[in-house]
Amino acid sequence: GAVVSQHPSWVICKSGTSVKIECRSLDFQATTMFWYRQFPKQSLMLMATSNEGSKATYEQGVEKDKFLINHASLTLSTLTVTSAHPEDSSFYICSARVRGLDSSYNEQFFGPGTRLTVL
Amino acid sequence: TQLLEQSPQFLSIQEGENLTVYCNSSSVFSSLQWYRQEPGEGPVLLVTVVTGGEVKKLKRLTFQFGDARKDSSLHITAAQPGDTGLYLCAGALGNKLVFGAGTILRVKS
Repeated sequence: GAVVSQHPSWVICKSGTSVKIECRSLDFQATTMFWYRQFPKQSLMLMATSNEGSKATYEQGVEKDKFLINHASLTLSTLTVTSAHPEDSSFYICSARVRGLDSSYNEQFFGPGTRLTVL
Repeated sequence: TQLLEQSPQFLSIQEGENLTVYCNSSSVFSSLQWYRQEPGEGPVLLVTVVTGGEVKKLKRLTFQFGDARKDSSLHITAAQPGDTGLYLCAGALGNKLVFGAGTILRVKS
């Protein structure tokens, strides 16, 4: 399958600072990437859809000014958590959309995740 | 209310037992994917089912897509401790994936 990387894998920061997380598609180009948030032992919650060359589309309840997304190239999307607070501590996962073999469907391949802890 | 209902939420079984995880929805999906996730890692794609009624096998895992493309099941035969993890179903609606709540599977040796 397609390989997606994330950096950093974990980060600890002080309250009020900003943190940038990178998501890269390593062996393919991804016009669409997705950012998810996951709490312990729970499923993934979609935060936003990142589109190369255009503004991200945010899910209801997700603050776009708090979670800045930039998809500057076909292989890189970044998520910046601005003015982080302890309640932003979570596991953030990105995915990249890949067209299926016969183009009739799309699959998403996920990065390894980034554990953010805000003190 | 979850758009994609996944059950059971938790499953603790002995090595060698069989199990089935179900995902049900009132929505029709263009495809449905099953993922397995281990703690601290991202989900890993196991299979994608596309056609109504489709059955796919991956070693001891059997995946089925309902005829109406609204539901799916994952059956594991002779479970092993290495099967332990979080199993997630995800239905494709447009460009997005709708995830089930997940099934935490623990296989005891």
